Amino acid sequence: AQSVTQLDSQVPVFEEAPVELRCNYSSSVSVYLFWYVQYPNQGLQLLLKYLSGSTLVKGINGFEAEFNKSQTSFHLRKPSVHISDTAEYFCAVSERQAGTALIFGKGTTLSVSS
Amino acid sequence: NAGVMQNPRHLVRRRGQEARLRCSPMKGHSHVYWYRQLPEEGLKFMVYLQKENIIDESGMPKERFSAEFPKEGPSILRIQQVVRGDSAAYFCASSPSGTGSSGTEAFFGQGTRLTVV
Repeated sequence: AQSVTQLDSQVPVFEEAPVELRCNYSSSVSVYLFWYVQYPNQGLQLLLKYLSGSTLVKGINGFEAEFNKSQTSFHLRKPSVHISDTAEYFCAVSERQAGTALIFGKGTTLSVSS
Repeated sequence: NAGVMQNPRHLVRRRGQEARLRCSPMKGHSHVYWYRQLPEEGLKFMVYLQKENIIDESGMPKERFSAEFPKEGPSILRIQQVVRGDSAAYFCASSPSGTGSSGTEAFFGQGTRLTVV
């Protein structure tokens, strides 16, 4: 079965600083990878996903992530964060086979201050 | 196209009562997933359904919890004889095909926050 580890539970940064949220996964088969964002009292919204092809994936709101197969990682980055990026971020994995659902990490709370 | 609709948004139940959580998937989506969210625990997968069939219920407690997705109508997550530990946010998501078969994203509702008193 697949699993996801988000290495940082909380990441505080100042506005306009770069940020990286780390995600590692474990699976015995190939996977699809996703990053979702959750704002307070809201559902989850997709930021980006990796299916195949280029290992650098660009998403909404200026976020990007890089798939590294050898390190089984899918870290999320943004070169310059805004106050409005304050939210909880979830990495998720789905095995590439029918009948599997998304499995999520425990989340990383990104707090951006001025 | 309306998003995934969950109701109620907030539900308060006394210990021992039943809780019924409803989820209407997006139009054209036949795959539904239920997750439970507790503080600092992230989203825990509970069950995956596809119209009238349970595909994977490995994350659902064996007792008191059940889920269905009938041919007509919303998906229902039912919790019988609720206890304080059932207090959590329950999220439903839907997709047009399975996330594992095609890599399609799952679209989430805004959740139902269950409080057991």
